[in-house]
Amino acid sequence: GAGVSQTPSNKVTEKGKYVELRCDPISGHTALYWYRQSLGQGPEFLIYFQGTGAADDSGLPNDRFFAVRPEGSVSTLKIQRTERGDSAVYLCASSYRGRREAFFGQGTRLTVV
Amino acid sequence: QKEVEQNSGPLSVPEGAIASLNCTYSDRVSQSFFWYRQYSGKSPELIMSIYSNGDKEDGRFTAQLNKASQYVSLLIRDSQPSDSATYLCAVILMNRDDKIIFGKGTRLHILP
Repeated sequence: GAGVSQTPSNKVTEKGKYVELRCDPISGHTALYWYRQSLGQGPEFLIYFQGTGAADDSGLPNDRFFAVRPEGSVSTLKIQRTERGDSAVYLCASSYRGRREAFFGQGTRLTVV
Repeated sequence: QKEVEQNSGPLSVPEGAIASLNCTYSDRVSQSFFWYRQYSGKSPELIMSIYSNGDKEDGRFTAQLNKASQYVSLLIRDSQPSDSATYLCAVILMNRDDKIIFGKGTRLHILP
């Protein structure tokens, strides 16, 4: 596609449920980033993929969060046993190479009730 | 010291004036620096990238980089009300596996 695509745009889930957020990067982009953004804050780094492997997952807040990118393209961020504190906008970005500018999708707004 | 620091603002600038946004970073060997604009309720949009010391101009925007001082800035000339947004500074941390880290952003308000 022409840009980074994230689905769903909005997700409301109950506390304790499992959610999956999907990111489809720009075609040919090898690097893929996940960020979380709360109101009034900058994007908080979660995980970064180069190809299929996670180059850096140091931003994942705990073991309830996990992300995969099995074929080096689409990525899925998975959150188990969701908590109200997980409510935020989850942003995905991709770049052609790991050292160049990244372009964002429209984000997924996750609300845990 | 935080990895990327910005004054949160809000910064209020009269229409037509120059808006100056500043950012400092902690990684001495960083080589890649970006400015993103984010409107309320939208995702960040890349507006400038800079890799070498000095100035880089693109239309009304000028990015300035000083690696010795670990400082990057964004100037917006002839500010317009449509420039009102949050501006995010981003740095690729070469000592942290090349991940892109963002500052908290500076809210800019252009006064008509």
